[in-house]
Amino acid sequence: DSGVTQTPKHLITATGQRVTLRCSPRSGDLSVYWYQQSLDQGLQFLIQYYNGEERAKGNILERFSAQQFPDLHSELNLSSLELGDSALYFCASSVVLDSEQFFGPGTRLTVL
Amino acid sequence: GESVGLHLPTLSVQEGDNSIINCAYSNSASDYFIWYKQESGKGPQFIIDIRSNMDKRQGQRVTVLLNKTVKHLSLQIAATQPGDSAVYFCAENGRSQGNLIFGKGTKLSVKP
Repeated sequence: DSGVTQTPKHLITATGQRVTLRCSPRSGDLSVYWYQQSLDQGLQFLIQYYNGEERAKGNILERFSAQQFPDLHSELNLSSLELGDSALYFCASSVVLDSEQFFGPGTRLTVL
Repeated sequence: GESVGLHLPTLSVQEGDNSIINCAYSNSASDYFIWYKQESGKGPQFIIDIRSNMDKRQGQRVTVLLNKTVKHLSLQIAATQPGDSAVYFCAENGRSQGNLIFGKGTKLSVKP
């Protein structure tokens, strides 16, 4: 158990819908990262937050957004969902930037 | 496992043998490298890391070797056990401090 929690574990929804994935980092970790893992693209970095501020963006679509709240938990919002958004979404956290990242168990999103 | 790509390289070893998993990284400016293990249905788990000012680092039963000249990273697992069966990813730090760029992964199968 990494100490990072993610909810829900599974999510099934329809195209065009909007979902919110939630992540609670390890106690004391200030940085949160979101990754997408799909069969054809592997693990892709989406976005990074540090102490509530966005620090870096990767291959994140405009339909996706995220935020980190004052209590350091983070949410990833996915809207206008398409079939191709079906994937595993992982959250990771680290104490500071450029330190070991601990991954949560992931949320499996299925878009039908 | 369900979290990996369809065409992963596969390494099959006998229990007790040593395993060597290789990875080529892309960015000569990367200065931090990590190996992760991902078991089916779980998030990536940190194994070992190395910074670019080193060429070798040892952990418990694992050794990482870094060859910056050819941008190559390897993970050696001594006395491989059935519990080592998983997909192994190398990762390098990206342009922004902290976010990781993952390789495609290698599936390790350990035969008892």
